[in-house]
Amino acid sequence: ETGVTQTPRHLVMGMTNKKSLKCEQHLGHNAMYWYKQSAKKPLELMFVYNFKEQTENNSVPSRFSPECPNSSHLFLHLHTLQPEDSALYLCASSQAIPGQQNTEAFFGQGTRLTVV
Amino acid sequence: DQQVKQNSPSLSVQEGRISILNCDYTNSMFDYFLWYKKYPAEGPTFLISISSIKDKNEDGRFTVFLNKSAKHLSLHIVPSQPGDSAVYFCAASARAGNNRKLIWGLGTSLAVNP
Repeated sequence: ETGVTQTPRHLVMGMTNKKSLKCEQHLGHNAMYWYKQSAKKPLELMFVYNFKEQTENNSVPSRFSPECPNSSHLFLHLHTLQPEDSALYLCASSQAIPGQQNTEAFFGQGTRLTVV
Repeated sequence: DQQVKQNSPSLSVQEGRISILNCDYTNSMFDYFLWYKKYPAEGPTFLISISSIKDKNEDGRFTVFLNKSAKHLSLHIVPSQPGDSAVYFCAASARAGNNRKLIWGLGTSLAVNP
């Protein structure tokens, strides 16, 4: 139990579907992240939220839409995805202190997404 | 252009021996380095870290060495155990405005054989 829970664990969706990934952290952290892990690529940071405010969007296509209603919950809304978006989507949280190096993040188990 | 490189995709070691996982980086602005371990069907878990002001950090069987001049770090696991079999990711952190960027390597898959 890492304190970061992601649902669903597996998702298969068509290119015209709309679905959402959910992440919840029970660690009292103030920062949450969405990462994408594709085969043979490094972990790619998609979005960062600090204190519920989005602070980073790493050129992610608009078919991925994050939502952070509070510091414990993070969603990733998906619509009109492409087969190449199939990947493992990982949520993480950390206690971010501006300027400090402590950036250990706690990860959820991920959602394995397949777009058909 | 990968800023953090783990050039060995896989490594096989005998139980009880030392495992050495290597990581090279190109950006001299990185000032904090982390190792994560990932089992199949799980997210990465933090293992050990090192600040650029140090050259060694030890935690039980795990030791990370940092050679700043060579822009190289390594993770030593001794003695290796079968339960250490996992993918090990190296990550490097640098300040980016008010935030910090974390750049990941591709990972090295370690197999510890009984």
